[in-house]
Amino acid sequence: DTGVSQDPRHKITKRGQNVTFRCDPISEHNRLYWYRQTLGQGPEFLTYFQNEAQLEKSRLLSDRFSAERPKGSFSTLEIQRTEQGDSAMYLCASSPGTGENTGELFFGEGSRLTVL
Amino acid sequence: AQSVAQPEDQVNVAEGNPLTVKCTYSVSGNPYLFWYVQYPNRGLQFLLKYITGDNLVKGSYGFEAEFNKSQTSFHLKKPSALVSDSALYFCAVTTFFDAGNMLTFGGGTRLMVKP
Repeated sequence: DTGVSQDPRHKITKRGQNVTFRCDPISEHNRLYWYRQTLGQGPEFLTYFQNEAQLEKSRLLSDRFSAERPKGSFSTLEIQRTEQGDSAMYLCASSPGTGENTGELFFGEGSRLTVL
Repeated sequence: AQSVAQPEDQVNVAEGNPLTVKCTYSVSGNPYLFWYVQYPNRGLQFLLKYITGDNLVKGSYGFEAEFNKSQTSFHLKKPSALVSDSALYFCAVTTFFDAGNMLTFGGGTRLMVKP
């Protein structure tokens, strides 16, 4: 399958622990996005990358959230000192870069975080 | 700030009947509008988009949507519903088409198609 893959699919952790999620985008896509989806709500934009450059990060929810895409391929989203309010589905998406951009995002199946 | 409203949490329709899922938006500037569908245990899938041009856009699986600028709406429609259309539908908007596709999503509408 050559779609967007996310790992792990489900993470259960205790409050105060750090968690990291990984996203592997479609290989030829330059742009990578992270969204958060809480129960009963639509996805909420967090951050995005064009290759390895993080071009928008002001909507990360707090300074406990950080994302990297060191080689312009896969990305990680880390949440430090987790809180129960961080429990949500974390979605990754990718898209082609400028010139090939049709506006469509290709989403992974998400990583569900449960903070006890 | 931009926002999207999906006023119905759930829409029920009988198989074979037409369906409409409502969406209204609020933006400063020209909107770029999208519909995505989410099946259980599956990622969000793109259905269709309005960028410019014809107000009636056609997408995947027989769905279409009509952009109405005066009513700031982008309702999703299908002439004849299938049971397999049952899913969660999200409307989304952005005003920066080529600046990262930072979409603002509505809260979603669950479509239930009954045999």
